[in-house]
Amino acid sequence: DQQVKQNSPSLSVQEGRISILNCDYTNSMFDYFLWYKKYPAEGPTFLISISSIKDKNEDGRFTVFLNKSAKHLSLHIVPSQPGDSAVYFCAASSGGDDKIIFGKGTRLHILP
Amino acid sequence: DTAVSQTPKYLVTQMGNDKSIKCEQNLGHDTMYWYKQDSKKFLKIMFSYNNKELIINETVPNRFSPKSPDKAHLNLHINSLELGDSAVYFCASSQDFRGGYNEQFFGPGTRLTVL
Repeated sequence: DQQVKQNSPSLSVQEGRISILNCDYTNSMFDYFLWYKKYPAEGPTFLISISSIKDKNEDGRFTVFLNKSAKHLSLHIVPSQPGDSAVYFCAASSGGDDKIIFGKGTRLHILP
Repeated sequence: DTAVSQTPKYLVTQMGNDKSIKCEQNLGHDTMYWYKQDSKKFLKIMFSYNNKELIINETVPNRFSPKSPDKAHLNLHINSLELGDSAVYFCASSQDFRGGYNEQFFGPGTRLTVL
């Protein structure tokens, strides 16, 4: 019963192009969504978040879009850089609950 | 001056042994967590402590016992290790107990291998 799904295990994108990572969720009670980035042999690091009262949040090269009716969010990285190669985890929580539910992650490869 | 540190980084042990993983955060956060990332790569919460008090205890075998001597430390003790305990264990912290709304800071992980 995966409540947060990242259906693409991996994604390859040319350097300089846009990377789009997708995430679907099933629990309509989720009201806060986060993206974490993870390099090998390191812990996840927070990247960007969005509240359910918004449909877009932007931070530099990173933008997260939220479509509540479709229960879908996406992370856009533009332009993609070699240092963006990592595993990206989508995560969600509800009502300020202490618990965050993570997806399985998508491995992003930025090609030279 | 690592924000969240864990020791050891790697742990290889035999079935049936008892082992501990230590975690320390120097961020002044009130809340700390233990996560398990299994072979399927899911990152799942196990425990959460706020100011040394247990606030989340997911369905985890009671062979796993967290201990928080103070709010900067959260250790994980595992008794009678089983093959299925092999995973990467991450410690994390957040400013307060509303970790779902707060950024969580993760340690580098401890890779546990049970033979």
